[in-house]
Amino acid sequence: GQQVMQIPQYQHVQEGEDFTTYCNSSTTLSNIQWYKQRPGGHPVFLIQLVKSGEVKKQKRLTFQFGEAKKNSSLHITATQTTDVGTYFCAGLTGAGSYQLTFGKGTKLSVIP
Amino acid sequence: DAGITQSPRYKITETGRQVTLMCHQTWSHSYMFWYRQDLGHGLRLIYYSAAADITDKGEVPDGYVVSRSKTENFPLTLESATRSQTSVYFCASSESGPAGKQFFGPGTRLTVL
Repeated sequence: GQQVMQIPQYQHVQEGEDFTTYCNSSTTLSNIQWYKQRPGGHPVFLIQLVKSGEVKKQKRLTFQFGEAKKNSSLHITATQTTDVGTYFCAGLTGAGSYQLTFGKGTKLSVIP
Repeated sequence: DAGITQSPRYKITETGRQVTLMCHQTWSHSYMFWYRQDLGHGLRLIYYSAAADITDKGEVPDGYVVSRSKTENFPLTLESATRSQTSVYFCASSESGPAGKQFFGPGTRLTVL
């Protein structure tokens, strides 16, 4: 079945440092979504990428979708303590697929 | 995201008991989903529903039953709970299906002793 691999599993950064998490799929994705889950909370939608090579920005967050639509990344510039949480990517394989396959997430800790 | 609620928020039960987790959304979203979240596994889809009276299996459906008689409710039943079903369960809804933004409920932490 479809697998979505996410690395790293954990990342500890000093406040102000940059952070990147990577997502790789074994199959081509029709779209990819990113979610953030704060400690003790529930996943919250961040963004969706659909087009090959797409890049979207939300303030300090930059999301990319690979040319082959098999990988994606989330980059945070100058992390803040409010960025703490687990970031998940989730991919959809194609039309008619009702299963969003989640990566295992990258847990980000920010040291003030 | 107060439009999707789950109850109970915490539940302790014993092996073999039947447990029902409730999910209610006020947005009239057509699609609803049940996920379980376990350390080392991320979020895995248990069941989903595209509309009232339409449900289908996800990645890990064994031991679970769902129903959807009304658009706003999507209960998940563990017919005979096992320890391996100890997990955090999240319900989610979406207006446009899995290809669109999903709104998650606050979760139910279930412990099976």
